Amino acid sequence: TAGITQAPTSQILAAGRSMTLRCTQDMRHNAMYWYRQDLGLGLRLIHYSNTAGTTGKGEVPDGYSVSRANTDDFPLTLASAVPSQTSVYFCASSEQGWTEAFFGQGTRLTVV
Amino acid sequence: QKEVEQNSGPLSVPEGAIASLNCTYSDRGSQSFFWYRQYSGKSPELIMFIYSNGDKEDGRFTAQLNKASQYVSLLIRDSQPSDSATYLCAVARGTGNQFYFGTGTSLTVIP
Repeated sequence: TAGITQAPTSQILAAGRSMTLRCTQDMRHNAMYWYRQDLGLGLRLIHYSNTAGTTGKGEVPDGYSVSRANTDDFPLTLASAVPSQTSVYFCASSEQGWTEAFFGQGTRLTVV
Repeated sequence: QKEVEQNSGPLSVPEGAIASLNCTYSDRGSQSFFWYRQYSGKSPELIMFIYSNGDKEDGRFTAQLNKASQYVSLLIRDSQPSDSATYLCAVARGTGNQFYFGTGTSLTVIP
């Protein structure tokens, strides 16, 4: 079973360039989330979506945007990357917002 | 104040001992509580969830929730070296459907 798939697995990106991190789930979950994980700071919520067509801001949304055109896909876009966005990014989904979340394998992004 | 707080550790226990991991949360309206395990370089995986006050047991794992004290804990009995990982506490609010994580506690089980 695929669950949640993220792409790419890793990427080196020049500062100032844009990039979209892809996330697809096949569990028909309503809620989806994007987190970044940095050493000592844990997992921090960037954006979330309760259901297709709606999105919300998490703890650290600046510099990121998301869309939720359908149930399965929840891409994260960096419009103009900066070195402080170097991190491991995890996409997650849950059936409802209060039920357990399942994670993708992560995307390691380095902005140079 | 952070939404979810954990002692970062590291916590070391001998093989066969009980490991106790603790977590506090700030929002009294929080509805659901979760423990995840994360091995180095891997994604978090769910160990347990708990919604109601009291204890919930699953094999060697017991989650404890005290909503009055805003406190969640995880006990790992008969700890094994394979339990060595970072344990993340997560809390879901009742409204807004936002999942917040603590910074994690690093556990090492010494053979």
